[in-house]
Amino acid sequence: DAGVIQSPRHEVTEMGQEVTLRCKPISGHNSLFWYRQTMMRGLELLIYFNNNVPIDDSGMPEDRFSAKMPNASFSTLKIQPSEPRDSAVYFCASTQTGEDTQYFGPGTRLTVL
Amino acid sequence: AQTVTQSQPEMSVQEAETVTLSCTYDTSESDYYLFWYKQPPSRQMILVIRQEAYKQQNATENRFSVNFQKAAKSFSLKISDSQLGDAAMYFCAYNSNFGNEKLTFGTGTRLTIIP
Repeated sequence: DAGVIQSPRHEVTEMGQEVTLRCKPISGHNSLFWYRQTMMRGLELLIYFNNNVPIDDSGMPEDRFSAKMPNASFSTLKIQPSEPRDSAVYFCASTQTGEDTQYFGPGTRLTVL
Repeated sequence: AQTVTQSQPEMSVQEAETVTLSCTYDTSESDYYLFWYKQPPSRQMILVIRQEAYKQQNATENRFSVNFQKAAKSFSLKISDSQLGDAAMYFCAYNSNFGNEKLTFGTGTRLTIIP
């Protein structure tokens, strides 16, 4: 089975531009998580969905960040406008109800110049 | 709120030797799940081992085993017969409700394998 798929793997953009990160969870999984990894803050949850509904978005830094899950097989994380401090690795992870393990995608390394 | 602490930013071990990575956590819950994830230079987060708090028996996966001390809130990872491919960042993580809540991560331990 394919694992969690994220695209792009690398993204370099200039400050002020819109950035969209994409995630396809493992088929059959009904929970999806977006994490961000930085040197300063480590790994932290941004938002997670259960059955396509956002459950906890308390980790979303500010209004510049938004996430959607229009269906069970696709989610996006959008940053508009992007800033240099948004530079990080963004991970998507998924799991299914009754399972205790989250499975991670390969991550997207975002660099905002 | 739960917290996870990894007090060893870096560790090193000779190839074929055994190394133990430390992790402590703080929670008021009685049922929860603990994990060790490995992050090699490729940055992929790979599950190494998991432990259910209600199970007293320590989890084991091949060369990887844990020492779970619930009363002390300690969850250390032992790697036996260390191999060059074990070199990575290792993160301890906590989850309170199967996988359907957020993972709380420690700050990680960078493990170096000396040939």
